[in-house]
Amino acid sequence: AQSVTQPDIHITVSEGASLELRCNYSYGATPYLFWYVQSPGQGLQLLLKYFSGDTLVQGIKGFEAEFKRSQSSFNLRKPSVHWSDAAEYFCSYMDTGRRALTFGSGTRLQVQP
Amino acid sequence: GAVVSQHPSRVICKSGTSVKIECRSLDFQATTMFWYRQFPKQSLMLMATSNEGSKATYEQGVEKDKFLINHASLTLSTLTVTSAHPEDSSFYICSARSGPRRTEAFFGQGTRLTVV
Repeated sequence: AQSVTQPDIHITVSEGASLELRCNYSYGATPYLFWYVQSPGQGLQLLLKYFSGDTLVQGIKGFEAEFKRSQSSFNLRKPSVHWSDAAEYFCSYMDTGRRALTFGSGTRLQVQP
Repeated sequence: GAVVSQHPSRVICKSGTSVKIECRSLDFQATTMFWYRQFPKQSLMLMATSNEGSKATYEQGVEKDKFLINHASLTLSTLTVTSAHPEDSSFYICSARSGPRRTEAFFGQGTRLTVV
């Protein structure tokens, strides 16, 4: 079955440190992949997306992600984390039939001063 | 950017009553809207997909008679939780897409439903 997996439930990093959030996908063809961020009690904001082409995708707020077909991964990265980045991050893929999003289980990011 | 407004942001209702949640696309026409449910510290689970002017398509395990979805216009979809019970307490989020070929969906702020 098609799915995305986020192996890390909770990650804590120090402010200013680099960040990498993992996402693995299981999909036959090249999937449409997304990263969203959710602040507590809020809706979701799109950080970036990958459909095809350049495998390194730049997003908002200084985030980037790299699509690696050989590893079935789409990890999210940021070189220097800010305290305001503390939130829940969801990797997702789009079902090309219904075009609905299926979400991973999420990774909660905590940023230490 | 496209804005999706969801109302109310929080609602408390008594067990057995019904509650309606609205999802509006403010600056675009949403041909397709999606309703998700999110339990505390869990991911979003798709409940149903609605296309303007047609019946919603519900995911397996979602009771269509309990969660009534109406998408009567290109800017408004509503989710009505009928005969609510405490186990229906959850965070409900809608998202909207402006066309069948569009790949980006925009999310509302969510509605926290508490059934007492």
